[in-house]
Amino acid sequence: ELKVEQNPLFLSMQEGKNYTIYCNYSTTSDRLYWYRQDPGKSLESLFVLLSNGAVKQEGRLMASLDTKARLSTLHITAAVHDLSATYFCAVDIKGDDKIIFGKGTRLHILP
Amino acid sequence: DGGITQSPKYLFRKEGQNVTLSCEQNLNHDAMYWYRQDPGQGLRLIYYSQIVNDFQKGDIAEGYSVSREKKESFPLTVTSAQKNPTAFYLCASFGHMNTEAFFGQGTRLTVV
Repeated sequence: ELKVEQNPLFLSMQEGKNYTIYCNYSTTSDRLYWYRQDPGKSLESLFVLLSNGAVKQEGRLMASLDTKARLSTLHITAAVHDLSATYFCAVDIKGDDKIIFGKGTRLHILP
Repeated sequence: DGGITQSPKYLFRKEGQNVTLSCEQNLNHDAMYWYRQDPGQGLRLIYYSQIVNDFQKGDIAEGYSVSREKKESFPLTVTSAQKNPTAFYLCASFGHMNTEAFFGQGTRLTVV
């Protein structure tokens, strides 16, 4: 059974600081997704990572994937208040097409 | 503009009733998924479909049913057998071998 674990589950940080959210998964996967969710809203796609060593960046967010370690990271650079949200990673099980989500990391950035 | 549409946005169900949540996409995506989100929780997979007329159970399929008669549509029925249906339901579509991923705006279902 695939397990997707995110940590931390809650993060409070100051503006201007850097931090990293981790996503570990327990089985072979082809694809790793990162999403953002604002309170009461749906999910917004941030990144889709397709291969080992993939790195994608958009603004202050950068995601990377290490398929050998079964680990993805979402790095936040010089955080700003607007990045406060819940961030989810999701993993596509190879050969099954199930897409399973982690529990999410609630990020609170203090102005 | 291409997108994925869920309706209604809010839905109220009486005990013992079946209700159907709509999910339509015009992205020409093959794969569609239904998830349930409880307050402060992650997303749990209910059903998913890769092609028309075929679908698979997810981790919490009991008390739910789906159909995939058209590529564009993947409705979810919450049956009376689902004992705790109050939740936020999210539909997603994935294209190009699951490399494009989009979510609908969600349906918030409440049992009254």
